Amino acid sequence: SQTIHQWPATLVQPVGSPLSLECTVEGTSNPNLYWYRQAAGRGLQLLFYSVGIGQISSEVPQNLSASRPQDRQFILSSKKLLLSDSGFYLCAWSEMGLAGLGYFGPGTRLTVT
Amino acid sequence: AQSVSQHNHHVILSEAASLELGCNYSYGGTVNLFWYVQYPGQHLQLLLKYLSGDPLVKGIKGFEAEFIKSKFSFNLRKPSVQWSDTAEYFCAVTTFKAAGNKLTFGGGTRVLVKP
Repeated sequence: SQTIHQWPATLVQPVGSPLSLECTVEGTSNPNLYWYRQAAGRGLQLLFYSVGIGQISSEVPQNLSASRPQDRQFILSSKKLLLSDSGFYLCAWSEMGLAGLGYFGPGTRLTVT
Repeated sequence: AQSVSQHNHHVILSEAASLELGCNYSYGGTVNLFWYVQYPGQHLQLLLKYLSGDPLVKGIKGFEAEFIKSKFSFNLRKPSVQWSDTAEYFCAVTTFKAAGNKLTFGGGTRVLVKP
């Protein structure tokens, strides 16, 4: 069965510090991978998606970047965090060619102080 | 670009009451539509989806949704809610032109069912 892992679960970081959130997927090959940010009352905002290793598409200009060094690994990063980067970050995947997301990860609650 | 609107941000109702959550999208082409649910402390999970065929779609836990193309709507319904239906519900849409099957989500509706 497919499983998606995210860590850390919670993170408190000072402004200007770097960020690295990791997401890994098990039980599937060559998935589409996504990073979403969830804000209260504003639903889920797609930040990045990837259809393959090294292929990253950015949806919104921001202080964040993403990388996919392996087929089932997706990393969200920042060199210098801003207060506005605080939020709940979700990783998700879907099978290639199939509409709709398969599974969401448990999420990371990021607080920038 | 497509967008999704969920007009009710918060809904409070009693057990056994009927539930209907509105969802409208803006896109003139062929769409796939989804409802996701997030129970307190749990992951987002798929409730039901419309890809093609019968516009009345049945999902898990007694939920159903009807796709009305002329109204650009995909409303979620449940005839009799339970306390365990307390959750946040998200409508989402993707199109065949959306690269990477990416979904556009609505703002979500928080539903509180009072016992």
